[in-house]
Amino acid sequence: DGGITQSPKYLFRKEGQNVTLSCEQNLNHDAMYWYRQDPGQGLRLIYYSQIVNDFQKGDIAEGYSVSREKKESFPLTVTSAQKNPTAFYLCASSPMTGRTEAFFGQGTRLTVV
Amino acid sequence: AQSVTQLDSQVPVFEEAPVELRCNYSSSVSVYLFWYVQYPNQGLQLLLKYLSGSTLVKGINGFEAEFNKSQTSFHLRKPSVHISDTAEYFCAVTLTSSNTGKLIFGQGTTLQVKP
Repeated sequence: DGGITQSPKYLFRKEGQNVTLSCEQNLNHDAMYWYRQDPGQGLRLIYYSQIVNDFQKGDIAEGYSVSREKKESFPLTVTSAQKNPTAFYLCASSPMTGRTEAFFGQGTRLTVV
Repeated sequence: AQSVTQLDSQVPVFEEAPVELRCNYSSSVSVYLFWYVQYPNQGLQLLLKYLSGSTLVKGINGFEAEFNKSQTSFHLRKPSVHISDTAEYFCAVTLTSSNTGKLIFGQGTTLQVKP
């Protein structure tokens, strides 16, 4: 079945450690996105990519990094510079034109202790 | 800049009652509009979208929404809710001119359906 796979579903890390969240899609979509979700704040865009080997910062990119070496994959690294990393992270993909909705993965809940 | 405001953070309602979740947007250019639903600890699923044409849009699970350009609103409605509709609902927009597909989300509304 076509879709977006995020792994792991739950992730625990110690403060000061970098951690990488995986996102893979088999929908052949050009664009991929990372959103952060916090209670009462909706979804905020971290990074997005429209093509392999290219990506742009979203609204809250500080403390995060991404790569897009393959069309299917868009991993997100939460670095130690991110001051409040505990959150629910959602990956999405779309064919890039606004007329088609974005498709979302099941999310990764990151807890930093 | 565009923004989306969901006017209610929580909406409690009894089972089989009607419900309306309100969404207003701000944009100087034309937008496409979406409603998504999120069940606990899951991703977002599309309920419905407005691209053009009829302002009344029907979606999955019996939901519908009406686009009102003069009031810049896109309220979501269901005539009779079920316990299974308990979830968080997000309104989102993207520019019709966008070549990135970026979505701007509202803060979300938690629908709590009581027996």
